[in-house]
Amino acid sequence: TQLLEQSPQFLSIQEGENLTVYCNSSSVFSSLQWYRQEPGEGPVLLVTVVTGGEVKKLKRLTFQFGDARKDSSLHITAAQPGDTGLYLCAGGGLGETSGSRLTFGEGTQLTVNP
Amino acid sequence: SAVISQKPSRDICQRGTSLTIQCQVDSQVTMMFWYRQQPGQSLTLIATANQGSEATYESGFVIDKFPISRPNLTFSTLTVSNMSPEDSSIYLCSFRQGSDTQYFGPGTRLTVL
Repeated sequence: TQLLEQSPQFLSIQEGENLTVYCNSSSVFSSLQWYRQEPGEGPVLLVTVVTGGEVKKLKRLTFQFGDARKDSSLHITAAQPGDTGLYLCAGGGLGETSGSRLTFGEGTQLTVNP
Repeated sequence: SAVISQKPSRDICQRGTSLTIQCQVDSQVTMMFWYRQQPGQSLTLIATANQGSEATYESGFVIDKFPISRPNLTFSTLTVSNMSPEDSSIYLCSFRQGSDTQYFGPGTRLTVL
């Protein structure tokens, strides 16, 4: 059973478009991380959100943690080809226990065409 | 955050042989992890490696197949033993900083012929 469901799994858009990636679970997490991974490299941490309702911005990327800490979204404004990559969400502290192992979503493969 | 490196970055191996992957962190970390990832897919945790104790393996992974060493707080190795083509994958080491945030190495791309 996949505890963290990401959608969509694949997304191909044109440069300049906006997009949102969703990460949903029926379980509560103490924190949620978003990573981006490019071919031939390991995942690179983008952000960690820990408070229900929290919103964090990283240039054109906006991350939100759901009020109940069961879901999260990543919104990219005016996507660029450099945003292309595999986006992974990962929940920490399943069941509100901090320090336990991360639970990864299935990933969203984003392609931004010039 | 600390810098994490892996060796080798890639390898092509023959069926039945073993490969040891090294992971080095430039500062002391308590928890290190080893993951497997098929290209374009998510990560599957193999085991958690804490210094001074035996690694804790996830369901579906056993010590005889994936022995792990953790001799100190900056280094770990994962061995893929008696390899078969099904072991072809990307292997990633990772460490935890703070309560939940994890950082990943660049990965080792393994191809078994």
